Amino acid sequence: LAKTTQPISMDSYEGQEVNITCSHNNIATNDYITWYQQFPSQGPRFIIQGYKTKVTNEVASLFIPADRKSSTLSLPRVSLSDTAVYYCLVGDIYNQGGKLIFGQGTELSVKP
Amino acid sequence: ETGVTQTPRHLVMGMTNKKSLKCEQHLGHNAMYWYKQSAKKPLELMFVYSLEERVENNSVPSRFSPECPNSSHLFLHLHTLQPEDSALYLCASSQERDNYGYTFGSGTRLTVV
Repeated sequence: LAKTTQPISMDSYEGQEVNITCSHNNIATNDYITWYQQFPSQGPRFIIQGYKTKVTNEVASLFIPADRKSSTLSLPRVSLSDTAVYYCLVGDIYNQGGKLIFGQGTELSVKP
Repeated sequence: ETGVTQTPRHLVMGMTNKKSLKCEQHLGHNAMYWYKQSAKKPLELMFVYSLEERVENNSVPSRFSPECPNSSHLFLHLHTLQPEDSALYLCASSQERDNYGYTFGSGTRLTVV
């Protein structure tokens, strides 16, 4: 599984757009990029997944450059309820043997 | 409700007690997992079950004993735990080899006294 590097923490204010970047220099050809969100004392929740270019859903957007060595999770107009830890994971979703390995994640704090 | 239900939500047990954590999923998934999350630490994968067979055991001490009687239920049996075992224990399920969309339960907050 490719190693990922994210900022440990980020601060933002309500209404701002937040971009969290994840580095994965050793990403393999078959690897996908997936982001999870975790609130305190709850299990992580799947946010978005992508392979290349841009993916958008009702919650977030995921930008992946052509070399795929990094990715950026974009949260539009954050609110206080977006305060959480965000995890970036990289792996071959079809042959990763059922293992989902989490790193430290990015602790996002949204202030009023 | 995420489709993965864990009980109990909170558990306090003494070091000589025996208890079990339960996980149930109603998503038709064929793989289930136990994770441990200690304070301010990443999630640690403990056990993986695929089609009711254990396929992963990440050097977890024998005082933790998993059981998967069918594809919808997963248990974690606990005995003679240590205070450092206090953590949030999370269960997850997925449709293996389908996508990376794991569904997690809300966890059991375990305190060993």
